[in-house]
Amino acid sequence: QSALTQPPSASGSPGQAVTISCAGTSSDVGDSNYVSWYQLYPGKAPRLIIYEVLKRPSGIPARFSGSKSGNTASLTVSGLQPDDEADYYCLSYARNNHFAVVFGTGTTVTVL
Amino acid sequence: QLLESGGDVVQPGGSLRLSCADSGLGFGSFVFDWVRQGPDMGLDCVASISADGSVESYAESVQGRFSISRDNSQKLVFLQMNSLRFEDTGLYFCARRAIFCRRRSCFDEWGQGTPVTVSS
Repeated sequence: QSALTQPPSASGSPGQAVTISCAGTSSDVGDSNYVSWYQLYPGKAPRLIIYEVLKRPSGIPARFSGSKSGNTASLTVSGLQPDDEADYYCLSYARNNHFAVVFGTGTTVTVL
Repeated sequence: QLLESGGDVVQPGGSLRLSCADSGLGFGSFVFDWVRQGPDMGLDCVASISADGSVESYAESVQGRFSISRDNSQKLVFLQMNSLRFEDTGLYFCARRAIFCRRRSCFDEWGQGTPVTVSS
């Protein structure tokens, strides 16, 4: 099963919002509301920031929000801060995948 | 909470054993995966093990060469990597499948990763 498609990069100025898309198919993103998002910094453990499309784990600021329409999920980071500069990956349940999940290709967010 | 170790530089055909130590609670209730970040920065699951260790899953690219195991008494997960190939190079993360995610479809805890380089 192919990876979900994300834009390689996205950017915004401090205080602005940036939205990252995660495009899949009717066999993964479009099949359920089980999409999660992860924030990765080099040398640090990845962090879960959104699960089940729009839910935030404890401790994740409300500036991070998720949504889904059809076969595409999205992550929006509002009120961009310098610390938001990181790589972001989506992950979707995929019933036909060996591990039942498939990752996105990843997006590097730059805060200008 | 998760700490990986065992990554190294190894020649093609060589072996490595990665370890993942969990310092948190409830280890025996969780499914664990090894997730590889390759040189292209993509993430892929390479192996997964059920909470009781009875069910293992492998990516096709590592089937027959890698073996995942766990020791619930010591709160450890292992990845035995044999017959290593150039394409096995990457940063290997240990990741825990969240109980609160339906269909175990997300990971709530990750380690920092341990690097594996296959080079002649």
